[in-house]
Amino acid sequence: EVQLLESGGGLVQPGGSLRLSCAASGFTFSIYAMTWVRQAPGKGLEWVSVISGSGDTTYNADSVKGRFTISRDNSENTLYLQMNSLRAEDTALYYCAKDTLPGRFWSGVDYWGQGTLVTVSS
Amino acid sequence: QSVLTQPASVSGSPGQSITISCTGTSSDVGDYNFVSWYQQHPGNAPKLMIYDVSKRPSGVSNRFSGSKSGNTASLTISGLQAEDEADYYCSSYTTSTTVFGGGTKLTVL
Repeated sequence: EVQLLESGGGLVQPGGSLRLSCAASGFTFSIYAMTWVRQAPGKGLEWVSVISGSGDTTYNADSVKGRFTISRDNSENTLYLQMNSLRAEDTALYYCAKDTLPGRFWSGVDYWGQGTLVTVSS
Repeated sequence: QSVLTQPASVSGSPGQSITISCTGTSSDVGDYNFVSWYQQHPGNAPKLMIYDVSKRPSGVSNRFSGSKSGNTASLTISGLQAEDEADYYCSSYTTSTTVFGGGTKLTVL
């Protein structure tokens, strides 16, 4: 059974940093791209970042470019999102998700964690 | 403002069919067959219903189908059931990123 468990969220001041983690199990982690999607309270979904299975290719939304870094440790089956220079508009529930097809991007994400809440406020 | 445009709400009676549209541009929906649809019940994580415009993941009911014409993708739900009441989001690939629609609230009357 595929399981994704996010952690690392919390309350942080504007300009601060957080690192989110996502522990994956139940599938061959290293052959699937992984994605972060966020959802502000009461709002819709926003795609944040994706990383290839090997970790050598990443893409980021314009809204987080230069501030957020996605990475992974395939030996630990863990996905990360390093978030720097946080802003109030980054406040959201952050979901970790598994890409649908092995070795490919962009074909949707078929498993989601339950999310970790990030609140940016002074 | 979302890049992909969806109606804010749609409704239908049990047993009926409904269609949710997702309008983009020639740079996203119109240029790539990488449209996905997600269902989200309140308090839950989204669930993938359709990927690559019209493919259904295993376990998803065949009452759900996807299509695309030009810059507009569509999700059709046939034989509406009470449990289909949820928010639905479309997404599409565009130039090294993914964009979502603003979401559509489906009410089953």
